[in-house]
Amino acid sequence: QVQLQESGPGLVRPSETLSLTCAVSGYSISRSHYWAWIRQSPGKGLEWIGSVFSSGSTSYNPSLKSRVTILVDTSMNQFSLRLTSVTASDMAMYYCARVGALTAYYPADNWFDFWGQGILVTVSS
Amino acid sequence: IVMSQSPGTLSLSPGETVTLSCRASQRLSGSDLAWYQQKPGQAPRLLMFSASRRATGVPDRFSGSGSGTDFSLTISRLEPEDFAVYFCQQYLTSPGTFGQGTKLDSK
Repeated sequence: QVQLQESGPGLVRPSETLSLTCAVSGYSISRSHYWAWIRQSPGKGLEWIGSVFSSGSTSYNPSLKSRVTILVDTSMNQFSLRLTSVTASDMAMYYCARVGALTAYYPADNWFDFWGQGILVTVSS
Repeated sequence: IVMSQSPGTLSLSPGETVTLSCRASQRLSGSDLAWYQQKPGQAPRLLMFSASRRATGVPDRFSGSGSGTDFSLTISRLEPEDFAVYFCQQYLTSPGTFGQGTKLDSK
């Protein structure tokens, strides 16, 4: 069974960088799949942030692209999110997830079939 | 693509059947739509993809249908554990986008 677990600081100061890691177990991240970050807030609802393929190629939501970096570490079987210059509007529950697929070629923001439990990130000084 | 779900909240009793609606602001040429269930304090759980395909382990009382701009999720014979928030998501056009959710309350 694929399991994902987010980790990282739950509190980030305004203008600083949010950094989260998602550890994957029960499945090799090296296998051909996209791995995604999604956030949820009362104001914006569910929002796809971006995805990284096992090869390291990435796809980002244009609304966040200038501030987001997602990296994969196959040796640790994990991937990470970096969001710079955070503001109060970045306060949300952050989830990591596996992007589901039935074929070899599919979009980076297909459906999401396995999710982590989420980590609440607060932005405050 | 903006996804709109209606109604915002529904109050029903166990044993009833309910149909939740999801409308896309643009036509989804295929069946590029997923449904998720979210309970308080939990992550969303994938229920359906490709509009009508059940994810692994999802009971057959859940069924999805629709095409174009209008999609629906039907839950037959509501069980107590079905009371939750349900989201739709389109993945035809990037960025994939979610609806705002329909909350299913127990009457």
